[in-house]
Amino acid sequence: GNSVTQMEGPVTLSEEAFLTINCTYTATGYPSLFWYVQYPGEGLQLLLKATKADDKGSNKGFEATYRKETTSFHLEKGSVQVSDSAVYFCALPGSSNTGKLIFGQGTTLQVKP
Amino acid sequence: EAGVVQSPRYKIIEKKQPVAFWCNPISGHNTLYWYLQNLGQGPELLIRYENEEAVDDSQLPKDRFSAERLKGVDSTLKIQPAELGDSAVYLCASSLRGIDEQFFGPGTRLTVL
Repeated sequence: GNSVTQMEGPVTLSEEAFLTINCTYTATGYPSLFWYVQYPGEGLQLLLKATKADDKGSNKGFEATYRKETTSFHLEKGSVQVSDSAVYFCALPGSSNTGKLIFGQGTTLQVKP
Repeated sequence: EAGVVQSPRYKIIEKKQPVAFWCNPISGHNTLYWYLQNLGQGPELLIRYENEEAVDDSQLPKDRFSAERLKGVDSTLKIQPAELGDSAVYLCASSLRGIDEQFFGPGTRLTVL
């Protein structure tokens, strides 16, 4: 079935540093890919998504490009802020495409002033 | 527009006690999900409803877990009896349809002593 692997954390960066969180996937076909973010004490929020190969999803300065050649969907941001401190999850639909999401284990980002 | 509402936010019980979680999805959303999130892990689907019908409960441990979604709106997830290993965050999510973006509630953090 479909699966996703993302880099382990925690990731600790200084404010304005460049961020990359790696995510690779295994899937049948070319499903949509997602990044969700979970701020402390809150539920998961969709950060961005890409629905087909070579698509770039973007939101709040974050970007991720759907790369079928490397089966990757790495999350990047050019200049992180303290407010970006959160847990980030890469996700894709389950094999049956019924709406079930398969999540990675999450990567904790801590940004220090 | 109100988001997904869950209650309680926190629950501490002793093992072998019963516990119930409640979820009110976004108005008009037909699909409702219950996810289990263990510490340091991504959410895993327990059960998915389309209106009042459970269409995917393959990951729900039916010996102790039960769920219902009467009238296709609110949902309740129950554990009886609770075990130490049930300590986790229980997330509820909803979407307009099964293939649309999922919106998550803040979760219920369960601690079983």
